[in-house]
Amino acid sequence: QVQLQESGPGLVRPSETLSLTCVVSGASVSSGGFYWSWIRQPPGKGLEWIGCVYNIGSTGSTNYNPSLKSRVTISVDTSKNQFSLKLNSVTAADTAVYHCASSTGRGNIPNWFDPWGQGSLVTVSS
Amino acid sequence: DIVMTQSPDSLAVSLGERATINCKSSQSILYNSNKMNYLAWHQQKPGQPPKVLIYWASTRESGVPDRFSGSGSGTDFTLTISSLQAEDVAVYYCQQYYSSPLTFGGGTKVEIK
Repeated sequence: QVQLQESGPGLVRPSETLSLTCVVSGASVSSGGFYWSWIRQPPGKGLEWIGCVYNIGSTGSTNYNPSLKSRVTISVDTSKNQFSLKLNSVTAADTAVYHCASSTGRGNIPNWFDPWGQGSLVTVSS
Repeated sequence: DIVMTQSPDSLAVSLGERATINCKSSQSILYNSNKMNYLAWHQQKPGQPPKVLIYWASTRESGVPDRFSGSGSGTDFTLTISSLQAEDVAVYYCQQYYSSPLTFGGGTKVEIK
């Protein structure tokens, strides 16, 4: 079955760029029908969908949450079977556990997330 | 954006008793063309990532115990744990996938009384 594992720096300075990678096993990121998403969870708070990449084998499309769209880039590296998140101009409000997740979907909309990666805590602090 | 509102924020239930969690969406998430409700329920145990329990509002994920059930349609949904077990202590989230951006409820923490 699909398994996901996030990796990246645990500490990022304010105004810099947060970068995380999600390594996929058990499936190819290029496989049709998969949507690869990032979701974050600030400490003690709820879940926020950041965005996704899909249609990797053809158009390689993305869909971002408008609340973060101006600062987010999600990309794919098919040679390493992984996808990545970049969030620029970070502030303390971006401190969160960042999860990657997979799903099926329709159009540019993912369905329910299954499975989720374990999550990677990123702290924004000087 | 569709706002998902869960209630209560937390509840304490005795072992073997019923737990009921509510989720209300700010607009209908019933897709008329296929009569499906675009709602999932996720369970997050301490120190673990969320795990899907139910999708299409009432379809149980493979391997999920049948004490978990989902119901509702349109804007009002319910997750029921018919007989609470110790391993059910967790935070439960509803999630809509009717429209973008996908959104979650604020979570309901279930504890043992």
